[in-house]
Amino acid sequence: GDSVTQMEGPVTLSEEAFLTINCTYTATGYPSLFWYVQYPGEGLQLLLKATKADDKGSNKGFEATYRKETTSFHLEKGSVQVSDSAVYFCALRGSSASKIIFGSGTRLSIRP
Amino acid sequence: NAGVMQNPRHLVRRRGQEARLRCSPVKGHSHVYWYRQLPEEGLKFMVYLQKENIIDESGMPKERFSAEFPKEGPSILRIQQVVRGDSAAYFCASSNWTGQETQYFGPGTRLLVL
Repeated sequence: GDSVTQMEGPVTLSEEAFLTINCTYTATGYPSLFWYVQYPGEGLQLLLKATKADDKGSNKGFEATYRKETTSFHLEKGSVQVSDSAVYFCALRGSSASKIIFGSGTRLSIRP
Repeated sequence: NAGVMQNPRHLVRRRGQEARLRCSPVKGHSHVYWYRQLPEEGLKFMVYLQKENIIDESGMPKERFSAEFPKEGPSILRIQQVVRGDSAAYFCASSNWTGQETQYFGPGTRLLVL
């Protein structure tokens, strides 16, 4: 079945460092891909999405490119801030399904 | 601009009691999804409902769990005879009529079973 694998955390970086969180997926057809962010004690917020190959999703300085050849959707940000500290979830929705399948999450901590 | 509302935000139950979780979708959304997040894990799909219909319940435990989304009022996730393993955060999401649009998540209900 469809699945999402993302890099284990926690990830700790200094402010203004470059961030990469790896995400790969397994799915038939052409899924839509998402990154969600969860701040402490809160629900999930959609960070960005891409619905077809080579699409780049971007928001708040974060970017991810839908790479069908490598089945990847890595999250990147050029300069992280303390306020980016949160748990990040990579996710997919299959082309013929409505439910979202989530990765296990990566906890990100940014030091001032 | 009300988003998805869930209540209660925190719920404490003793083993054997019933837990009733409510979800009000974004105004105009007719598709509701329930997900469960166990501690330190990702979210797992439970059930997908449209108004008065269950579309996909492949992630629902076969016993003790039920969900509904009546014509009027919020969606309800009901857990009967709760056990400690039911302790988790339960998130509701809603989407527009196509069912394929972006899902917007509520803040979740954190259930603790003593």
